[in-house]
Amino acid sequence: NAGVTQTPKFQVLKTGQSMTLQCAQDMNHNSMYWYRQDPGMGLRLIYYSASEGTTDKGEVPNGYNVSRLNKREFSLRLESAAPSQTSVYFCASSEGPGPDTQYFGPGTRLTVL
Amino acid sequence: RKEVEQDPGPFNVPEGATVAFNCTYSNSASQSFFWYRQDCRKEPKLLMSVYSSGNEDGRFTAQLNRASQYISLLIRDSKLSDSATYLCVVPGNTPLVFGKGTRLSVIA
Repeated sequence: NAGVTQTPKFQVLKTGQSMTLQCAQDMNHNSMYWYRQDPGMGLRLIYYSASEGTTDKGEVPNGYNVSRLNKREFSLRLESAAPSQTSVYFCASSEGPGPDTQYFGPGTRLTVL
Repeated sequence: RKEVEQDPGPFNVPEGATVAFNCTYSNSASQSFFWYRQDCRKEPKLLMSVYSSGNEDGRFTAQLNRASQYISLLIRDSKLSDSATYLCVVPGNTPLVFGKGTRLSVIA
């Protein structure tokens, strides 16, 4: 039982490049989330998916797109990376869409030059 | 008032000390709250859930004061391994809103 897994663990991009961050959970959870964490800013929600087939914007969605591929997988895409997107990205999942315990993946450290 | 606010610290305490963190929240309708722990360069992990007036788990006690809209986390007999950042988490405009965290360093 791996919980929540994320790939890659580290990535360096040049401004304007695109990439997709992958997330998968094996807990049969309905809801999945993408956060970014910056020094002094705490965790900020980018997008979430309350259930398979739905996605909603969080606090900081600009510059990102998401896909809920199936119940297990939720990907985050940066179409044209900018230095302001340098951050640590965490994926999380929870059984329900409400204020339910969220379980986090190990994170992806992204640097955009 | 912000959705959730925490004292960022750092709190530097000796081993064996008792330390308490407070967190205030703005949504008076909130019913469930959480404390997460985050070690340096790691993901946040659930420490405790708080659904009614409080919760106790070993050396850790979480208390909820609905009238004043704050949650506290008390750590007794601090260990070196308690050094981490503690995140207060409350329901908000999005499913959960994470505080910026309070950093604790337990010193030998």
